[in-house]
Amino acid sequence: DGGITQSPKYLFRKEGQNVTLSCEQNLNHDAMYWYRQDPGQGLRLIYYSQIVNDFQKGDIAEGYSVSREKKESFPLTVTSAQKNPTAFYLCASNGGTNTEAFFGQGTRLTVV
Amino acid sequence: KQEVTQIPAALSVPEGENLVLNCSFTDSAIYNLQWFRQDPGKGLTSLLLIQSSQREQTSGRLNASLDKSSGRSTLYIAASQPGDSATYLCAVIRQGGSEKLVFGKGTKLTVNP
Repeated sequence: DGGITQSPKYLFRKEGQNVTLSCEQNLNHDAMYWYRQDPGQGLRLIYYSQIVNDFQKGDIAEGYSVSREKKESFPLTVTSAQKNPTAFYLCASNGGTNTEAFFGQGTRLTVV
Repeated sequence: KQEVTQIPAALSVPEGENLVLNCSFTDSAIYNLQWFRQDPGKGLTSLLLIQSSQREQTSGRLNASLDKSSGRSTLYIAASQPGDSATYLCAVIRQGGSEKLVFGKGTKLTVNP
């Protein structure tokens, strides 16, 4: 089945710790995105990548980092510099500006 | 900067009612508009994609229209069912920019049996 897989579904982070969220797609899409969702805030763009080995900051990139070494993978690292990381993180991909975007099932990150 | 607004923020209707969800955007230069559904604690499921050259798209009981000149889209749901209860989001990709999806905050729909 084609789609986007995010893992893990739930993640717990201790203060001062870096954690990495995985996003893999087998749709052969060029573009991939990371969003953060908080109650009442809607979806906010963290980073996006339109091609392998290239990515751009979104609206709330501070405290996050990404890599795009392979077309099918776009991992997101939440660093210790992100002061309020507790949120629901969503990964998406599409094949270009006039194509449908698809989302993964999300990762819920909680600081303990 | 492209901004997307969805009204109302929440809507509660009895089962069987036809309903309309609204989405407006500030910059009419878009590639496309996409409607999504989100169930609690889940990812987004794509419902309909309307390209900028199209006026509407239909899928089953869903019909989405697009009026680029006025910066508006509507999602029409016919004969609503309790299983339609979810949050509905619209998103646009703006032309000439970074080609990223810009989302509204969504409309939370509750269909009561």
